Amino acid sequence: QVQLQQWGAGLLKPSETLSLTCAVYNGSFSGFFWTWIRQPPGKGLEWIGEVDHTGSTNYNPSLKSRVIISIDTSRSHFSLNLSSVIAADTAVYYCARGIIRGGGNRWGQGTLVTVSS
Amino acid sequence: EPVMTQSPVTLSVSPGERVTLSCRASQSVGSKLAWYQQKPGQAPRLLIYGAFIRATGIPARFSGSGSGTDFTLTISSLQSEDSAVYYCQQYNDWPPVAPFGPGTKVDF
Repeated sequence: QVQLQQWGAGLLKPSETLSLTCAVYNGSFSGFFWTWIRQPPGKGLEWIGEVDHTGSTNYNPSLKSRVIISIDTSRSHFSLNLSSVIAADTAVYYCARGIIRGGGNRWGQGTLVTVSS
Repeated sequence: EPVMTQSPVTLSVSPGERVTLSCRASQSVGSKLAWYQQKPGQAPRLLIYGAFIRATGIPARFSGSGSGTDFTLTISSLQSEDSAVYYCQQYNDWPPVAPFGPGTKVDF
């Protein structure tokens, strides 16, 4: 059974770069969309972007200028970098493996990232 | 891109009830519509994709229908563990700014 485990810094100051990594255990990378989604406290789901096993990416147009998603299949992980964070970037960030675009049928545990001076 | 709306915002229910949740897209998304269930403190769970295909391990009491702009998630006989927020998501128009609907909270 594929499992996703994510980690990264949970407290950032404005203007810093958010970096999260999602390790994939017991799963193949090809044929899936490797996705990052976030959820501000008490709010709904926001799609950040995706990468496939070739490294091809798609990003949310509203975040595109600040986001980089990368994949390293040899090390079985994919990563999210979001630059120049602001308070509005405070959210629980999830990684997911998608059989469709946008979400996933396997999810990481979520990481609360707080942006505060 | 399609704007996704869901109704109702909140639904108060009783165990054993049949429940219908609605999702509407402002323009056609074909059958590229998914439903997720999210319980407090947990990651979302994929229930339905392709408008009506149940994801692996999803109980048969969950069913999806619709195409184009109007979609429905039906829970045939509510169980206590079905208390959650349900989100729809389009994946026809990509990449999107807001593929998820705002959610419907199902509460006992």
